[in-house]
Amino acid sequence: DVKVTQSSRYLVKRTGEKVFLECVQDMDHENMFWYRQDPGLGLRLIYFSYDVKMKEKGDIPEGYSVSREKKERFSLILESASTNQTSMYLCASNPSQGGGYTFGSGTRLTVV
Amino acid sequence: DQQVKQNSPSLSVQEGRISILNCDYTNSMFDYFLWYKKYPAEGPTFLISISSIKDKNEDGRFTVFLNKSAKHLSLHIVPSQPGDSAVYFCAAKAGGFKTIFGAGTRLFVKA
Repeated sequence: DVKVTQSSRYLVKRTGEKVFLECVQDMDHENMFWYRQDPGLGLRLIYFSYDVKMKEKGDIPEGYSVSREKKERFSLILESASTNQTSMYLCASNPSQGGGYTFGSGTRLTVV
Repeated sequence: DQQVKQNSPSLSVQEGRISILNCDYTNSMFDYFLWYKKYPAEGPTFLISISSIKDKNEDGRFTVFLNKSAKHLSLHIVPSQPGDSAVYFCAAKAGGFKTIFGAGTRLFVKA
């Protein structure tokens, strides 16, 4: 069964902490994405990557960075966590030829 | 500026009846549309899609209709089942990598 695995289901971090959210996929997909889901706003794209070491800003990249050192792994970094980054974070992937995404189960991050 | 709009936050339907979820978009460059379904504490799962060259795509109980002139698409579920209760996201692409999602509609199917 193909999978996108997010390392943590729930995280609680303090304001100002550096936070790492990890995502691994086992489908050999070229494209990987980080979204956040907030009530009434749906899913908003933070960053995406179409190849190893390649990254592109999405619609709301401020306060975030990403790393893709290996094809299967895409990390989201909150440089200095703030309370407005409390959200559900979803990682997704799809192959280079497109099609629907496969999503991970999500990480619910609370910044206090 | 929301390019993909789902104006109904929630919808309640009786088991066995039709569920119709609606979605409007503003960007005429969108050429591919998708529906995702999300249960609580899980990531969204891909449900069905349609290319802009078609006006209908069917997969079992699920049918998506696209009206390009009205910039409107809808998802029909017939017959609705209690297990269909979930949040449904409409999404759209204009080529490239990015997919734009709507805010979602929560469907309740009552037994």
